[in-house]
Amino acid sequence: DGGITQSPKYLFRKEGQNVTLSCEQNLNHDAMYWYRQDPGQGLRLIYYSQIVNDFQKGDIAEGYSVSREKKESFPLTVTSAQKNPTAFYLCASSSQGRETQYFGPGTRLLVL
Amino acid sequence: SQQGEEDPQALSIQEGENATMNCSYKTSINNLQWYRQNSGRGLVHLILIRSNEREKHSGRLRVTLDTSKKSSSLLITASRAADTASYFCAPTTSGTYKYIFGTGTRLKVLA
Repeated sequence: DGGITQSPKYLFRKEGQNVTLSCEQNLNHDAMYWYRQDPGQGLRLIYYSQIVNDFQKGDIAEGYSVSREKKESFPLTVTSAQKNPTAFYLCASSSQGRETQYFGPGTRLLVL
Repeated sequence: SQQGEEDPQALSIQEGENATMNCSYKTSINNLQWYRQNSGRGLVHLILIRSNEREKHSGRLRVTLDTSKKSSSLLITASRAADTASYFCAPTTSGTYKYIFGTGTRLKVLA
């Protein structure tokens, strides 16, 4: 069953804590993306990666970090430097040279 | 990268009616995509129309593109309650990996 999985569905962060959101795809896609969505808003690009071991900052990268050690995986860490992390986080992937992005089900991050 | 702006922000119709939503953008594009997002879920790709196409159909969906006006419209015919969702457009340029999604059109179909 091909697709993109994100875990967990809900994540709670304590003050000053780093948390990591998982994103895995078995679509053999080269490119992967992380977006943040606030209530009633559009999506804003955090980071994207076109190839393993390479990634670029999006429009709102401050307070976030990523790694791309494997083609299938693109985890996002929300660091303590991100002062307003409460949001819905979406991961997506696309095939090299293809415009269509395929999205995971999302992770909702809440601050305790 | 550029942002598409969807209009209207919200739309409420009765089941069986047609729903039309619009997207405007500012610079030249290679294609334009439409996505749907059900509440609390990820986005789902609906349709892609290329800059040399004027109209495209997929089931109950009809998309038009007017590059001279830098605008696109998405028509959903014979709407169903299951069509209730937010709809986003993504104007894209080949080779770019940065899409900027607008705030979308929130469609509510009343049974």
